[in-house]
Amino acid sequence: DSGVTQTPKHLITATGQRVTLRCSPRSGDLSVYWYQQSLDQGLQFLIQYYNGEERAKGNILERFSAQQFPDLHSELNLSSLELGDSALYFCASSVAGGLGEQETQYFGPGTRLLVL
Amino acid sequence: GENVEQHPSTLSVQEGDSAVIKCTYSDSASNYFPWYKQELGKRPQLIIDIRSNVGEKKDQRIAVTLNKTAKHFSLHITETQPEDSAVYFCAASKDRGSTLGRLYFGRGTQLTVWP
Repeated sequence: DSGVTQTPKHLITATGQRVTLRCSPRSGDLSVYWYQQSLDQGLQFLIQYYNGEERAKGNILERFSAQQFPDLHSELNLSSLELGDSALYFCASSVAGGLGEQETQYFGPGTRLLVL
Repeated sequence: GENVEQHPSTLSVQEGDSAVIKCTYSDSASNYFPWYKQELGKRPQLIIDIRSNVGEKKDQRIAVTLNKTAKHFSLHITETQPEDSAVYFCAASKDRGSTLGRLYFGRGTQLTVWP
């Protein structure tokens, strides 16, 4: 158990719908990262938040958005869903502070999204 | 941006043999290189990592080597066991201010260890 939690574990929805994925980082971690894993694209970085602010953006579609709340949990919103959005969505969190030698990214269990 | 390439895509070994997975990266500013093991349907799990100020790191049967000049790093698993069977991902990153930056992943290596 990495200490990172994600809900829900599974999500089945229809094209055109909107869903929200939730992530709670490890206690004390300020950074949250979202990744998408599909068979054809591998593990792709979507977006990073650090202490409530957007820090970096990857290949995230305009239909997708995210935020990090004051309690540091994060939500990834996916709208106007398409079949191709079916994938595993992982969040990860990392310890922050002083470019520490201990810093690394720990992954949550993921949310499996199936768009029908 | 960074480009990480990983080889081979599949690797089959006999139990007790060694397995080596190799990755190259393109951005000389990358300074952090983790390896993740992912079992089917599960989360990527960190198994070992190395930073650019170190050339080699070992943890029991697992070791990672880094060649900054050539921009490549490798994962070595000795005395493989059937439970080592999984997909292994290499990644590269660099520190961004006060926190670790995004990970750039290789495409993964499916390791199968036959008893």
